[in-house]
Amino acid sequence: QLQLQESGPGLLKPSETLSLTCTVSGDSIGTSGHWWGWIRQPPGKGLEWIASIFYTGSMYYSPSLKSRVIISADRSRNQFSLRLNSVTVADTAVYYCVSQRVGPRGADAFDTWGQGTMVTVSS
Amino acid sequence: QSALTQPASVSGSLGQSITISCTGTSSNVGSYNLVSWYQHHRGKAPKLMIYEDNKRPSGISNRFSGSKSGNTASLTISGLQGEDEADYYCCSYAGSLTWVFGGGTKLTVL
Repeated sequence: QLQLQESGPGLLKPSETLSLTCTVSGDSIGTSGHWWGWIRQPPGKGLEWIASIFYTGSMYYSPSLKSRVIISADRSRNQFSLRLNSVTVADTAVYYCVSQRVGPRGADAFDTWGQGTMVTVSS
Repeated sequence: QSALTQPASVSGSLGQSITISCTGTSSNVGSYNLVSWYQHHRGKAPKLMIYEDNKRPSGISNRFSGSKSGNTASLTISGLQGEDEADYYCCSYAGSLTWVFGGGTKLTVL
């Protein structure tokens, strides 16, 4: 059974860089079975897709965050990561790592989610 | 403000049916058969309920169904149960390898 677990710092100061890691069990990120990605939810608000990556190294980003975000994968550790630089209070959110099923057009729905990790940006 | 519009809340009695709408545009919902729906109980991981507009993942009750007409997708839950009380989010492919979500709908089971 596919399982995802986020890890990373819970508290950051404005202008710092957020680094999160997702550890995958039950599947290999180095195969074509899934895309892998990140989604966040600010307090009291809806979900926001951030970025996704495929085992080939293909990656794509939310246009609103693209200038500050990097998604990467480490096949040897079966992990993928998110870096978000120059964080502000507006980046305070629960961050989820997700797997994305592969459908007829490529990336498809987000079929497995981690439990989420709360990240607070505060001075 | 979310790219897809959902009602903030809906309610229904045990055993009844409810429908949650998700309105987008011809650039997202109306252009691709890639609307998905997620159930989110606070403090837990969101759960995929519907994908590709109307398909149910393995293990999801057939009480949950998805449909779409033009730029509006809908999630219908029949035979409401107490465990269905949760937040529900729609999501759509928006072209150019991007994805957008709705603002979420809080379902209350009376």
